Amino acid sequence: GENVEQHPSTLSVQEGDSAVIKCTYSDSASNYFPWYKQELGKRPQLIIDIRSNVGEKKDQRIAVTLNKTAKHFSLHITETQPEDSAVYFCAENGGTSYGKLTFGQGTILTVHP
Amino acid sequence: DADVTQTPRNRITKTGKRIMLECSQTKGHDRMYWYRQDPGLGLRLIYYSFDVKDINKGEISDGYSVSRQAQAKFSLSLESAIPNQTALYFCATSGGGAYEQYFGPGTRLTVT
Repeated sequence: GENVEQHPSTLSVQEGDSAVIKCTYSDSASNYFPWYKQELGKRPQLIIDIRSNVGEKKDQRIAVTLNKTAKHFSLHITETQPEDSAVYFCAENGGTSYGKLTFGQGTILTVHP
Repeated sequence: DADVTQTPRNRITKTGKRIMLECSQTKGHDRMYWYRQDPGLGLRLIYYSFDVKDINKGEISDGYSVSRQAQAKFSLSLESAIPNQTALYFCATSGGGAYEQYFGPGTRLTVT
């Protein structure tokens, strides 16, 4: 069974501020948690992912944290820039190997200059 | 990513018509997926295929069918299109030991 709740649905920040998007999941077998960014009119693209054997992963201005006990994971973007404006999706694999992903509903992030 | 292509990119069709959306990839991946995107609902899985002989239903397969003609090609069909199938459709691939899925550019389908 797969269920992913993503919050907030919209997020507006000033350039330079931090942005945090949170997802909760229900399947305790889930072990892969990617985040995708979709710019307007474009395809979703992976920006960062985390496996269940680690609690945090960073890549320059973005980071993902995972709390397996509470079944939630979060995307953190620091020093936001206008080009970070996009729709962000979280996902989880329900423990399936290389398998199908269940996506959250998406967060529209707007970074104001 | 030019390695995953979809045709057509846009299509307008009438209720009751049969329509096929095509996906091709040159990444050599064995796994392919079809998703539907609606505003506020994220990406929902319609069908997926782990190899040519393996087809699986996803979350919202009713009203859709698929064909995996070759490792590189995965087609989605709407046997009798209805207006609530108006959406943006994405094909995706993954392969080897990696979990990452690579998406095609999408097909915007409108059913009138």
